[in-house]
Amino acid sequence: GEDVEQSLFLSVREGDSSVINCTYTDSSSTYLYWYKQEPGAGLQLLTYIFSNMDMKQDQRLTVLLNKKDKHLSLRIADTQTGDSAIYFCAEKRATHAGNNRKLIWGLGTSLAVNP
Amino acid sequence: EAQVTQNPRYLITVTGKKLTVTCSQNMNHEYMSWYRQDPGLGLRQIYYSMNVEVTDKGDVPEGYKVSRKEKRNFPLILESPSPNQTSLYFCASSLLPPRYSGNTIYFGEGSWLTVV
Repeated sequence: GEDVEQSLFLSVREGDSSVINCTYTDSSSTYLYWYKQEPGAGLQLLTYIFSNMDMKQDQRLTVLLNKKDKHLSLRIADTQTGDSAIYFCAEKRATHAGNNRKLIWGLGTSLAVNP
Repeated sequence: EAQVTQNPRYLITVTGKKLTVTCSQNMNHEYMSWYRQDPGLGLRQIYYSMNVEVTDKGDVPEGYKVSRKEKRNFPLILESPSPNQTSLYFCASSLLPPRYSGNTIYFGEGSWLTVV
């Protein structure tokens, strides 16, 4: 299929680590992204990873990419209540004509952080 | 400050009454696009524009029009809104089209539209 798939819900306790998973389908995808959407707000780019990398760390965020399995994960260390949001995975994929790229989005994972 | 600004943020309207959602960016970006977000369907692209006077259909263009007369503005027009266009709409812009790797996409804050 052509879907980017994510689990819809995740609940963690404050201070624990959160791991949000995503699978994609196109092995030729160049960049993979994580966006955050807070309630009533727009989309914020959190981080991205180039397909020739397998890990990228940015403060509390760690992105892991398993290109063989087409699996992407976002780990949030020391999760805080302010991290409660919907997290979207997106892959940049070539169009059928091959001369352009488009973003294919997952449906989002709703992260609830409990005090 | 880099911004993508949409207006209105919230609107309730009636079926058939034409409306326009404006979008403006202050980053001199060439590429702009509109998305709608619906529960269980995620983000879907409506229209995009590669530059002034260059627009093209995205995945769900039916019932929408756009125009790009100036680089900074990319309004979304609903000529005759219907209830199935009730959704959350996002405008986005980037310096280059998505085919250029590493391109950062900036999103507006979203416009909640309800058609009754």
